[in-house]
Amino acid sequence: SQTIHQWPATLVQPVGSPLSLECTVEGTSNPNLYWYRQAAGRGLQLLFYSVGIGQISSEVPQNLSASRPQDRQFILSSKKLLLSDSGFYLCAWRGNGEQFFGPGTRLTVL
Amino acid sequence: RKEVEQDPGPFNVPEGATVAFNCTYSNSASQSFFWYRQDCRKEPKLLMSVYSSGNEDGRFTAQLNRASQYISLLIRDSKLSDSATYLCVVTASNYQLIWGAGTKLIIKP
Repeated sequence: SQTIHQWPATLVQPVGSPLSLECTVEGTSNPNLYWYRQAAGRGLQLLFYSVGIGQISSEVPQNLSASRPQDRQFILSSKKLLLSDSGFYLCAWRGNGEQFFGPGTRLTVL
Repeated sequence: RKEVEQDPGPFNVPEGATVAFNCTYSNSASQSFFWYRQDCRKEPKLLMSVYSSGNEDGRFTAQLNRASQYISLLIRDSKLSDSATYLCVVTASNYQLIWGAGTKLIIKP
């Protein structure tokens, strides 16, 4: 069966510091992968999606970037975090239409 | 108009009651529809897909009305453990899903 991993589970970072969140998927090949952000009490905001290695589509212009160096690895990065980057970051892969999520990383920028 | 709209709630209902959620979507070309459940501080988890003919899974019934562009979720005999946020999801393309902001449900004993 498919499993999706994210780490770390929680993160507290100062404004202006860099960020790297990693997501890996097991049990499937060539998955469509997604990064979402969910602000407190809000819905899911799609940040990036990827249909293959090196292929990244950005949905919202911002100071975040994503990379897909391997088939089952998806990385979310920032060179300088803003206060507004705080939120719950979720990685997902897409199966037969539906999406399955990792456990998420709760980021607090101070 | 938002692409996917849901009543934010919260819905406060007594245990055992029947609860109904509605969700409207704007893209008439959408082909797939889902309901997800999200517990506090956890990731969303698939509750059920929504089929054109309507579908049922135990106490949960989902229906789709393409003409009016809305989907619904009915929960019968609600349990305390049903307390969560329920998210409506609609496909926008082969790769993207559009998420509603969710409706919070609180079941009271």
